[in-house]
Amino acid sequence: SAVISQKPSRDICQRGTSLTIQCQVDSQVTMMFWYRQQPGQSLTLIATANQGSEATYESGFVIDKFPISRPNLTFSTLTVSNMSPEDSSIYLCSAEGPNYGYTFGSGTRLTVV
Amino acid sequence: GENVEQHPSTLSVQEGDSAVIKCTYSDSASNYFPWYKQELGKRPQLIIDIRSNVGEKKDQRIAVTLNKTAKHFSLHITETQPEDSAVYFCAANPYNFNKFYFGSGTKLNVKP
Repeated sequence: SAVISQKPSRDICQRGTSLTIQCQVDSQVTMMFWYRQQPGQSLTLIATANQGSEATYESGFVIDKFPISRPNLTFSTLTVSNMSPEDSSIYLCSAEGPNYGYTFGSGTRLTVV
Repeated sequence: GENVEQHPSTLSVQEGDSAVIKCTYSDSASNYFPWYKQELGKRPQLIIDIRSNVGEKKDQRIAVTLNKTAKHFSLHITETQPEDSAVYFCAANPYNFNKFYFGSGTKLNVKP
């Protein structure tokens, strides 16, 4: 299966600032997704990152807060904007492609202070 | 949208016993159902999946069953081992959409 590299692995940020998380896949994939996982909780889909068009956001998530880029078929970024302590969570990217199942990046553990 | 419910939230079994985790889904158009295992501090890993045209799939000690009529699917782990201890998530994939909706997770503890 494809390998997904995600960075940073963790960060501690001041409230009001923004953090951009990067996700790199070692092969071209059709779709990429961004999830949030609160400690001890399930995975909640934030948005689908579409190559060549705007991301598709799930209910409760908006582009101004979580802007997403997908410049090509192997890379995507998620920005968490104007952070507050409630944004502290693990953020994971996931990818789906024609030749393998759905896999996850290693996650970014974000703490907002 | 799709709603996936998962039970139980925690499950404790003795080594060698079987473990069963159950999920229900709401969207009858869902056609793909993966199961993920997440060890503490690690990413979710796909362990088995099933498509809606199949009723059962096995992979060594792991099996998944699907009942489309009742809209539920289950994960079966036989001869459990301590290394099976983890959080398990089910997910459902609505037809023609490649995104997943996850269950709430089951924390499995296998006691040696």
